[in-house]
Amino acid sequence: SQKIEQNSEALNIQEGKTATLTCNYTNYSPAYLQWYRQDPGRGPVFLLLIRENEKEKRKERLKVTFDTTLKQSLFHITASQPADSATYLCALGDNYGQNFVFGPGTRLSVLP
Amino acid sequence: DTGVSQDPRHKITKRGQNVTFRCDPISEHNRLYWYRQTLGQGPEFLTYFQNEAQLEKSRLLSDRFSAERPKGSFSTLEIQRTEQGDSAMYLCASSRAQGFGETQYFGPGTRLLVL
Repeated sequence: SQKIEQNSEALNIQEGKTATLTCNYTNYSPAYLQWYRQDPGRGPVFLLLIRENEKEKRKERLKVTFDTTLKQSLFHITASQPADSATYLCALGDNYGQNFVFGPGTRLSVLP
Repeated sequence: DTGVSQDPRHKITKRGQNVTFRCDPISEHNRLYWYRQTLGQGPEFLTYFQNEAQLEKSRLLSDRFSAERPKGSFSTLEIQRTEQGDSAMYLCASSRAQGFGETQYFGPGTRLLVL
């Protein structure tokens, strides 16, 4: 069955450093991968989409890579700020509207 | 605020009771999704609609769960004979169909507690 793992339940880093979050998957060939941010008690908010034929996407301080050989995506936040503290979710999907699956999330804490 | 609203925001019920949740998507969005999320986990897909047609249901969705989107606008999710294991956050999301991989806009969720 499909399985998505995110590197750890929680990640603590110092303000100003780069946060790197990992999303690994097995038994799946996704057409795209998305990253969402979720704050406590709120719904997820879309951040970035990367498709299977793309290696890297950037948006402001965010960078996502997608390696379909390793079955892995890396999500980077550069110059991290305490306001970046949240849970970050990866989600995979195919081109048929089915099998849209979220990972368990990584809770990021950026310490001042 | 994403523009997707859900009602109620919180619901406490006793085991065996029926509950109904409502989701109002962004008006021009033709796709609507329901998810369930428990503490420390990502959202689990339950079902989705394109306009008024329910196109997919997860096998997680038992016979006690039913969803409707009668006019292709708002949607309701009903849980009959609630069980304690139904306690979770129920999330609704909407999107504008552009193939797949389009951005889903999530509502704030309805937190259900079954006593």
